[in-house]
Amino acid sequence: EAQVTQNPRYLITVTGKKLTVTCSQNMNHEYMSWYRQDPGLGLRQIYYSMNVEVTDKGDVPEGYKVSRKEKRNFPLILESPSPNQTSLYFCASSSYPGTGGFEQYFGPGTRLTVT
Amino acid sequence: QKEVEQNSGPLSVPEGAIASLNCTYSDRGSQSFFWYRQYSGKSPELIMFIYSNGDKEDGRFTAQLNKASQYVSLLIRDSQPSDSATYLCAVTTSGTYKYIFGTGTRLKVLA
Repeated sequence: EAQVTQNPRYLITVTGKKLTVTCSQNMNHEYMSWYRQDPGLGLRQIYYSMNVEVTDKGDVPEGYKVSRKEKRNFPLILESPSPNQTSLYFCASSSYPGTGGFEQYFGPGTRLTVT
Repeated sequence: QKEVEQNSGPLSVPEGAIASLNCTYSDRGSQSFFWYRQYSGKSPELIMFIYSNGDKEDGRFTAQLNKASQYVSLLIRDSQPSDSATYLCAVTTSGTYKYIFGTGTRLKVLA
């Protein structure tokens, strides 16, 4: 089954404790991306990656790191989480965008609470 | 000014009616336009994308794009209670592959 998986699905942590949210896709997609979703602010892109070792900032990259060492995996790293990073996080992937539209497949989401 | 704007709603329509959802964007370089549906507590899922001016139809859904006026709309014909969800508009810009989402319009279809 084609899918994007994220782990963990729920996480409660404390300020300053480094954490990693994993994302993996089995569709051989080139493009992968991380979003956060907050009430009233919608989905905002954190980072995206066009391929292995190629990453770029979205609209809200501050406080986050990513890496793309393998095509299927795109982990999101919070080196020193703060309460304002409490949010619902989605990973997504798609085939190479090209010049037309491209469909993103979303993972199930990770609800992060930083106290 | 927000880059992608949508009315937050809720937009309430009776079952069987046409629901019209609108989205405006500020960047004239925007190239591709998407409509996603998101049920409460679930992930977004793509309904349609469009990148040329005019209409694009897929079943009960029609996307309309007007680049001169910088708006994109989604029409849902014969609305069903199962269409009740939040509809997200998204755009990408030529030269980058950043995705910009609107905040979404909540649609309620009344049985």
